[in-house]
Amino acid sequence: EVQLVQSGAEVKKSGESLRISCKGSGYSFTNYWITWVRQMPGKGLEWMGRIYPGDSETNYSPSFQGHVTFSVDKSLSTAYLQWSSLKASDTAMYFCAKRSAISRYTLDVWGQGTTVTVSS
Amino acid sequence: QSALTQPPSASGSPGQSVTISCTGTSSDIGGYNYVSWYQQHPGKAPKLMIYDVNKRPSGVPDRFSGSKSGNTASLTVSGLQAEDEGDYYCTSYAGSNNFAVFGGGTKLTVL
Repeated sequence: EVQLVQSGAEVKKSGESLRISCKGSGYSFTNYWITWVRQMPGKGLEWMGRIYPGDSETNYSPSFQGHVTFSVDKSLSTAYLQWSSLKASDTAMYFCAKRSAISRYTLDVWGQGTTVTVSS
Repeated sequence: QSALTQPPSASGSPGQSVTISCTGTSSDIGGYNYVSWYQQHPGKAPKLMIYDVNKRPSGVPDRFSGSKSGNTASLTVSGLQAEDEGDYYCTSYAGSNNFAVFGGGTKLTVL
């Protein structure tokens, strides 16, 4: 079974750093882009960007460029989303999702989400 | 990059059909046949329902269908069932600079 399993909920303070994870299994992790999606409380989905685990190529949404960093550890089949200095406005649910094998711009499997709460 | 425009809510009685629209521009929906639709239940991850405008993944009932005309895509749910309630989001490829954009979401209520 193809799965993405994300790390648990986090509670942080403004200015702190954070890294959350997304572990893939049941498929060739290095061959499919991983996309990160933000969902602020009570709001819709926002495309943050994506990373290709095979060579760590990245595409960032202009809205998130410079504030977050994507990375991968191929040996652990795990993708990461990190912040060096959190803001209260980063409070949200964050999802990772993998690119479909049959459609270039489709996300077919999603992680369960990681809740990040940042207090000011 | 502005979000795609969806109506905030839609509703229908069991057995009826409902259509949710998703309006973009020639830079996203109108320019590519890469529109997807996702269903999300409260506290859960989104689930892929339609991809590439009108294709259904394995396991998604054929009551769900997608279409596109110009800069507007649509999701139609026929024979509404209670379990179809939830939030529905459209998304489209938007070119190599902005890459992808989501709609604001539509809350579907089965009356």
